[in-house]
Amino acid sequence: ETGVTQTPRHLVMGMTNKKSLKCEQHLGHNAMYWYKQSAKKPLELMFVYSLEERVENNSVPSRFSPECPNSSHLFLHLHTLQPEDSALYLCASSQETDGSGTQYFGPGTRLLVL
Amino acid sequence: AQSVTQLGSHVSVSEGALVLLRCNYSSSVPPYLFWYVQYPNQGLQLLLKYTSAATLVKGINGFEAEFKKSETSFHLTKPSAHMSDAAEYFCAVSSRGGGFKTIFGAGTRLFVKA
Repeated sequence: ETGVTQTPRHLVMGMTNKKSLKCEQHLGHNAMYWYKQSAKKPLELMFVYSLEERVENNSVPSRFSPECPNSSHLFLHLHTLQPEDSALYLCASSQETDGSGTQYFGPGTRLLVL
Repeated sequence: AQSVTQLGSHVSVSEGALVLLRCNYSSSVPPYLFWYVQYPNQGLQLLLKYTSAATLVKGINGFEAEFKKSETSFHLTKPSAHMSDAAEYFCAVSSRGGGFKTIFGAGTRLFVKA
């Protein structure tokens, strides 16, 4: 596989479920990102990891819990979500750390919370 | 603080016509500027970026954008639209020394009529 992959592509969960989203990058990049994309709203940055250390946490509710076990993998653990959390969750990676870097995005996980 | 405004959530053009997607930014320091494109059921893909070299930036698929500091704009153009250009386009800004944070606009959906 090349680029950035995300699994699952679609997920339906109840508000009491626990699930995890997985992201893997095959580009040798040092930084990985989670974004939330909701209809008619700008992309919202949720978390950033650089060299497996969390460097950005954008006031995200604690029901979202990220994990970065190594520089190639990123997880987003979900528990007791709300219907308003339904959205497309995008993972991205980049090499540069000075803001100039191109971000490479995965295809996203479409999440529906019932 | 940084911000991005994309004028027009929807733009419709005829095939072969000029494409113009507008983006204005706000940044207290010299910015990095990006245009990304998102096709249905895919993640975002970089079209082009401005990082302080030439103010006219050429990207993939015949797109280009011009950085105009006096107007705080970074509009995206293509001389002749093709049906395959139909997608959603996002303008984004990050700041030099601002680390990983990239601010995305709300997006402009481009429709191309035959």
